[in-house]
Amino acid sequence: AQSVTQLDSHVSVSEGTPVLLRCNYSSSYSPSLFWYVQHPNKGLQLLLKYTSAATLVKGINGFEAEFKKSETSFHLTKPSAHMSDAAEYFCVVSRSTGRRALTFGSGTRLQVQP
Amino acid sequence: NAGVTQTPKFRVLKTGQSMTLLCAQDMNHEYMYWYRQDPGMGLRLIHYSVGEGTTAKGEVPDGYNVSRLKKQNFLLGLESAAPSQTSVYFCASSYLLAGSQETQYFGPGTRLLVL
Repeated sequence: AQSVTQLDSHVSVSEGTPVLLRCNYSSSYSPSLFWYVQHPNKGLQLLLKYTSAATLVKGINGFEAEFKKSETSFHLTKPSAHMSDAAEYFCVVSRSTGRRALTFGSGTRLQVQP
Repeated sequence: NAGVTQTPKFRVLKTGQSMTLLCAQDMNHEYMYWYRQDPGMGLRLIHYSVGEGTTAKGEVPDGYNVSRLKKQNFLLGLESAAPSQTSVYFCASSYLLAGSQETQYFGPGTRLLVL
C-alpha cells in the first residue's frame, strides 16, 4: 500500500521569496516520487522525479526536492518565487517495480503575491 | 508531435445518458491511464492499459468501461451517467524502459458535468 500527504492545501508567498511545499509519503515498497504542476485549466506537467539515483533532485523552472527516507518526506522548494509559479502542485508516489500506478496527494495551491 | 490529446474538452450530460471520451497519444507509449480529478482529492485511477487489447481496473472503476483496440487510443465509456461522475477526466500515457521509472504524460483534461 502507498499513500501521500500534502501538509498544506494552500501556500501563499510574495514574489522573490522562497517556496516550500511539503509532502510526506508512505509506501510498503521502494518508492519513486514525483512532483507535478497543474496550471489553471491545463493538464499536469512533470516538475521532477526521484528514482533513487540521487536524494536531491533538480527539476524544471528552478524547483528542486530532497528525498529524506528517515523522515519519509519529499518536500519541494524554490529559492525565489515567480508570478508564473502560481498553480496547483501534486506530490505523487509510485512503486519502483511491478505495477506502477500513481498515487496522488490532494494538492497544494500556491499563490504568489506581487 | 501533439503528445496526449483528449476529446471532447467539455461535455454536459443528463443522468442516464451515455458517452465516450477519447484519448489519443502519438508517442508510441505502451501504457495508458484514465484518472478522474475531484476537488480536494487529487487524481484517482479509473482504469489503465498495459498494451493494445488489454485493460485493468484501477482505484475507482465502477460505472466506467474502457477499450484499447489500437495502441494509440484509449477510450473511456460511461454507459449510464450519474451526477457522481461529474468530474475532470485526465488521460495519461507512458513507456517503460528496463530498470527505469516511467514518466506519465498527461492530456489537457475533459470537464464533464452530469445533471
